[in-house]
Amino acid sequence: QVQLVQSGSEVKKPGASVQVSCKASGYRFTDNYIHWVRQVPGQGLEWLGRITPHTGGTKSAQRFQDRLTMTRDSSTSTFHLELKNLRFNDTAVYYCARGPTTTSRGWFDPWGQGTLVTVSS
Amino acid sequence: DIQMTQSPSSLSASVGERVIISCRASQSVDTNLHWYQQKPGQAPQLLIYGSSTLQGGVPSRFSGSGSGTDFTLTISSLQPEDFAAYYCQQSYSSPLTFGGGTKVEIK
Repeated sequence: QVQLVQSGSEVKKPGASVQVSCKASGYRFTDNYIHWVRQVPGQGLEWLGRITPHTGGTKSAQRFQDRLTMTRDSSTSTFHLELKNLRFNDTAVYYCARGPTTTSRGWFDPWGQGTLVTVSS
Repeated sequence: DIQMTQSPSSLSASVGERVIISCRASQSVDTNLHWYQQKPGQAPQLLIYGSSTLQGGVPSRFSGSGSGTDFTLTISSLQPEDFAAYYCQQSYSSPLTFGGGTKVEIK
């Protein structure tokens, strides 16, 4: 079945960078865009950006553009998110989620299990 | 950016009750509106896409409607496993945005 499996929890200091990985399986890697969404504990969902698997092209939400990098490794069917210059309010659960085949936008299904990133001094 | 506003932010209901959750967009999103359910400690799961299309495997007691700026998610007869948070999301334009969520609790 289609599955997205993410890397484990991270604890980082302010100003550091974090990388979260998302390994895709159960479908053709190049067929679907992958999106990244985060959720501050107890709060709502925020879209960070998306990556096009076959070209590696990306689009980020404007407020993250200078700190966010999204990449993919076709050889391992794995997507990576890097967030730089971490702040306390970046503490959140980070999810990867698969978009539909027909559009770079659309809905998300399925989602990875989430990766908790804690920013603490 | 398109702002998505859900109401209510929380509600209490009994098993068997009909529940309606609203989602309003700050500008038209046509039918590019999707609904998710999230249980504590879990990732969101897609319930409905394109305003009214039920995702495979989702019980038929869930339904969605609306177009333009006003949308509803209806649970026709609330079941114990439906107590969760529900989010709407628009994909009409980037950045993709979510509503603030509606928490459905046991009465």
